[in-house]
Order: sequence, then structure tokens, then C-alpha cells
Amino acid sequence: AQTVTQSQPEMSVQEAETVTLSCTYDTSESNYYLFWYKQPPSRQMILVIRQEAYKQQNATENRFSVNFQKAAKSFSLKISDSQLGDTAMYFCAFRETGANNLFFGTGTRLTVIP
Amino acid sequence: AAGVIQSPRHLIKEKRETATLKCYPIPRHDTVYWYQQGPGQDPQFLISFYEKMQSDKGSIPDRFSAQQFSDYHSELNMSSLELGDSALYFCASSLGRGGQYFGPGTRLTVL
Repeated sequence: AQTVTQSQPEMSVQEAETVTLSCTYDTSESNYYLFWYKQPPSRQMILVIRQEAYKQQNATENRFSVNFQKAAKSFSLKISDSQLGDTAMYFCAFRETGANNLFFGTGTRLTVIP
Repeated sequence: AAGVIQSPRHLIKEKRETATLKCYPIPRHDTVYWYQQGPGQDPQFLISFYEKMQSDKGSIPDRFSAQQFSDYHSELNMSSLELGDSALYFCASSLGRGGQYFGPGTRLTVL
């Protein structure tokens, strides 16, 4: 069974600083997809970034980037130049190539401090 | 850009009543997913549809059913509601197995 682990229930960062959120997963599959979703206080689930396991290059979306370490089954999210609007719950998610559903981690609550 | 639309946004029901949640996917998306997020929990997958056929099933109770219609909108039907069904219900859509884009959710409260 696939499991996704986020070991940091809460984190905080000063505005304009950089923060890294951790995620590890367990799977026997060789190809899969990884995602980071952001859930602000509005409870909307917003797709932040995605990574395909067969791609070695780390995905980047503006201030958001990932460090994908396939051998270590690690998928961390780096947020650069943190902004107040980044305050949210961040969920790491996993999906097998042949499956439809996402498996979510338990989330990391990030607070950006002015 | 058009997003996933869910209705209603809020719903209050009594125990043992029924509820129907609706989802309108992003135009041209062919796959719809339903997730349930309890208070303080991560979203849990319920069920998905691809081209109007059920494609995957997760932890959906037998009291719940869902379908996708010819216009690709989907409905989640929930019967014999229990207090534990109170949650935020998300619909998401994708094109094939691409990234899943979530709607704003329907907050269901069962009294």
C-alpha cells in the first residue's frame, strides 16, 4: 500500500525567507506522480506543483520548487521569498501511474510571519 | 480560467436524511473525482469517473452512490446520513490522468 508521510505538522517562516517542507512516501512502483497541494483558510485545494517520477529534473513553478530524491523516496517543497499569502496547510500527494486516486499526507501547517 | 464548480457550497441535513452534491468539471476534462475531508483530516478518495464510467473506488460507504452524466457533470448521492458524514466534500477534475484540479468543496453538516 502507498503511504505518504509529512513529519512536520507545523512550521513557520519569516516573510521573504525560504522554507522547506518535507514529504516521504512508500511505494513499490517505479513510475508515479507526486504533487503538492495548498489549502489556505478558505479550504480551497490548490495544485502547487507536480513531479513525474520518471523525470529526473526537479519541477519548478515560480517561487515553488521541489527536491525529488527517488532512491530516498523523498519529495520536499521549497518556497522561496515567502509571502503572507503562502500561509496555508500544505499536503503532499502521491498517485500511481495506472490509478486515479490521490493519496495524501497528513499535511503541514505553514505560517508566514510578517 | 474556468474552474471546477460545486453546488451547494453549504448543506445542513438531519440524521437519516439524503443529500445530493453536484460537480461541474473544468470544460474538456473527462475525469471526475470525489474526496471527503473530515475536520483536521487529509482528503480521502471516494470514487472517480472517466468518460461517464466508474474508474476507481475508494473508501466510499455503501450508503453513497455517484454517477457522471453525458455532460460530464457528476453527482454524489448520500443516503441515511450519519453524524460522521459531516465533512468537506471535494470534487476534482482532470484531463485523463493529468493534474487534479479541485473545486471549492461542499461543506456538509449533519445534525
